[in-house]
Amino acid sequence: AQRVTQPEKLLSVFKGAPVELKCNYSYSGSPELFWYVQYSRQRLQLLLRHISRESIKGFTADLNKGETSFHLKKPFAQEEDSAMYYCALIGTSGSRLTFGEGTQLTVNP
Amino acid sequence: DTGVSQNPRHKITKRGQNVTFRCDPISEHNRLYWYRQTLGQGPEFLTYFQNEAQLEKSRLLSDRFSAERPKGSFSTLEIQRTEQGDSAMYLCAGSIWGQLETQYFGPGTRLLVL
Repeated sequence: AQRVTQPEKLLSVFKGAPVELKCNYSYSGSPELFWYVQYSRQRLQLLLRHISRESIKGFTADLNKGETSFHLKKPFAQEEDSAMYYCALIGTSGSRLTFGEGTQLTVNP
Repeated sequence: DTGVSQNPRHKITKRGQNVTFRCDPISEHNRLYWYRQTLGQGPEFLTYFQNEAQLEKSRLLSDRFSAERPKGSFSTLEIQRTEQGDSAMYLCAGSIWGQLETQYFGPGTRLLVL
């Protein structure tokens, strides 16, 4: 069975501080990992995926297969980063996304 | 094209009634997914289509739930004999199957069963 765990439901930081949103997964094969974001009153949208190894809006995430983690990081948080963040995976045998419970990030001025 | 749309955006119904939701992806989306999201949880997969073929159904999808994509374009999700536990946000996502497939989500339909 595949599972995604986001241990923090709520995370609050001050503007300019570093932020790390944790994500751990359980999957026996080699999954594809994603971070989705939902800003207030907007639809769920893809932030980044591990395969692309890109930085979006200053966010990066590294897949650590040994620790089965895919933490999302940003060195200097901005107020506009306040949103709900979901970690998700797709297993090798299908296309369904399995989501974590989400972390609500609040960046205070 | 403004992306994946869903109708209605909100639906209030009484227990035992049938409801139907519609999802319109963009024309290029040959795959279409349905997810359900309850309060405080991440979205949970229900089913997906490639063109008009329903390729996978979750065990969450009880016999009261049925989904169709008759012409490989829009899709409908019907819930028969609704129960209070069906209250949730129902999300649709479209994608173009292939490498680096990305699922683009609609705004969702929020269902409240009284």
